[in-house]
Amino acid sequence: GIQVEQSPPDLILQEGANSTLRCNFSDSVNNLQWFHQNPWGQLINLFYIPSGTKQNGRLSATTVATERYSLLYISSSQTTDSGVYFCAVLWYAAGGSYIPTFGRGTSLIVHP
Amino acid sequence: DAGVTQSPTHLIKTRGQHVTLRCSPISGHKSVSWYQQVLGQGPQFIFQYYEKEERGRGNFPDRFSARQFPNYSSELNVNALLLGDSALYLCASSLKQNSPLHFGNGTRLTVT
Repeated sequence: GIQVEQSPPDLILQEGANSTLRCNFSDSVNNLQWFHQNPWGQLINLFYIPSGTKQNGRLSATTVATERYSLLYISSSQTTDSGVYFCAVLWYAAGGSYIPTFGRGTSLIVHP
Repeated sequence: DAGVTQSPTHLIKTRGQHVTLRCSPISGHKSVSWYQQVLGQGPQFIFQYYEKEERGRGNFPDRFSARQFPNYSSELNVNALLLGDSALYLCASSLKQNSPLHFGNGTRLTVT
């Protein structure tokens, strides 16, 4: 199956700092999403971004499908940005199945 | 519009028992997928159903089964529970098999 690797595994920031999270994947994918999991376990959609660049407020994401990676940028971080960020890809498996595969996540802590 | 709803939110079971978890998708979504998330890891794909048929299966034992009903809601069943089945179980819905995923808040299962 496909391998999804996220880096860094852990990140500690001071409020106001910027950061870049990376997601590498080992094969072609049909789509890619970034999620934020809050301390209560809720997975919040951030971006659906199989290719190109999108921005939403202080967050932006870029996927370069041909080079099999995606980046999530967080600018002017706030304490509410704390949590775990997951990259999830959807790849087409033999037999007509689309298989969602998650990375292990980046755990972000933002200190006031 | 209501999001993806899962029930129950929390559940405590004893080893050897069975459990049924329920999921209602976003209105109009025809695909439901199930995931197991243990502490410190990303969600692991268990099943995907689309138009009431199983379309994908992850690497889980036969103790895990699921079905999708005519109204597109879904159940996940786990038989002969083991301590290692303790986890957060997440359900996601999507318009089609390869559309963006939208997650419910999960069911936290504890097996004692």
